[in-house]
Parts: sequence; C-alpha cells; structure tokens
Amino acid sequence: DGGITQSPKYLFRKEGQNVTLSCEQNLNHDAMYWYRQDPGQGLRLIYYSQIVNDFQKGDIAEGYSVSREKKESFPLTVTSAQKNPTAFYLCASSIGDKAPRNQPQHFGDGTRLSIL
Amino acid sequence: AQSVTQLGSHVSVSEGALVLLRCNYSSSVPPYLFWYVQYPNQGLQLLLKYTTGATLVKGINGFEAEFKKSETSFHLTKPSAHMSDAAEYFCAVSLPSSGSARQLTFGSGTQLTVLP
Repeated sequence: DGGITQSPKYLFRKEGQNVTLSCEQNLNHDAMYWYRQDPGQGLRLIYYSQIVNDFQKGDIAEGYSVSREKKESFPLTVTSAQKNPTAFYLCASSIGDKAPRNQPQHFGDGTRLSIL
Repeated sequence: AQSVTQLGSHVSVSEGALVLLRCNYSSSVPPYLFWYVQYPNQGLQLLLKYTTGATLVKGINGFEAEFKKSETSFHLTKPSAHMSDAAEYFCAVSLPSSGSARQLTFGSGTQLTVLP
C-alpha cells in the first residue's frame, strides 16, 4: 500500500544535540511538508518542498533544516538552535502544482520528540 | 491573509447525539476547504474536502459538511455520534492563489468527546 512512513515513532534528544527525523513516501508525490504540532495550536508549517533539490521556509523554520535529494525522502533536522523542540512532528505529501487545488495532503503517523 | 477559526476547543456529546463542529474562514476569495481527523498519536486522516459547486459535502464515517459562502463557514456534522468518533478534528483552508505548493492553513483543532 502507498503511504508515508515516519521514523522513529519516539525520539529523545539531549541538550545541544542535533537529531534527524525521517520521512519517506511511495505515493509518487512531488510536494512534501513538515509540520510541528503543539497542544491547542493546531499544525504549524516548518518547511515545504515542491520538487527535488528545492525547499522553502514555512512559518516557523528557525532552528530546523531539511534536504530533498530524492523525490521519496524529506528528512528534517532539529538543530541545537531550536530552543523548544519538544513537540509532535508530522510529515505530509501532496501531488503538487500539477494537481487541482482541492487535492489534499496525506500525512504520516508522526514522530514525538522529547528533550532529556 | 487567510485564516481559519474553529469555535470550541472541546466539544462533548452523548453517544447517538448530533455532532456539530464549527469552522469559519476569512477570505474574500472562495477557498478550498478540508476536514481532517486525528486519533491519539497518529497522523491526520482526510474526512472530506470541499469541491466548488457542491454546498453539501459527504465524507467518510458518516460525516458531512456544508459550505455557506454568506456565513464563510464550513461546519462539520454527523447525525449520530459513535464512541469511535472521539478524536481531534481539524479544519484546513487553501487559497486559490497563484504559484507555490498547495499550502494549507489549519485551525487550532476541536477535541470531540463522546459520552456513553
């Protein structure tokens, strides 16, 4: 079955460490997204990518970095510059600009990051 | 700028009662609208999406939503709640602006509790 796989499900980080969250999709989607979810705040966009080797900052990109070397993969690195990284992180994908605007985003099951 | 407001961060209903979750958007241009559901520690699953021309949209699990342009609303309803409907529900909007990836703006979510 096609879908989005996020790993690991749970991740712990020590102060000062960078950690990388994995996101892989086999839906053949062009666009991929990273969101951060905090209680009572909905989803906030961190980064998005429309095509391989291209990505754009979202609303809360500070302290995060991404890469898009392959169509299927969009890893997110939470750097030590992110002062409050504890959150639930969701990866999503969509067909992209070639599709009508009512095409939805498809989500992975998320990674919960906690600080030790 | 587009925004979406979900009235009521927590809604409780009895099993078998009507479910009504409210969503209002702010846009001078008809947006593209979506409802998603999230179960604990999982990603978001699409319930339904608005398609231009149809004011009543039917989704999965017996949910439906009515688009009212005059009220800038897209409220989610279900005639009879089941215990399995307990989850968090998100309304999302995408404006038909030019270029860019299909970005979504999410409401802050409504936690639905179903009482036995």
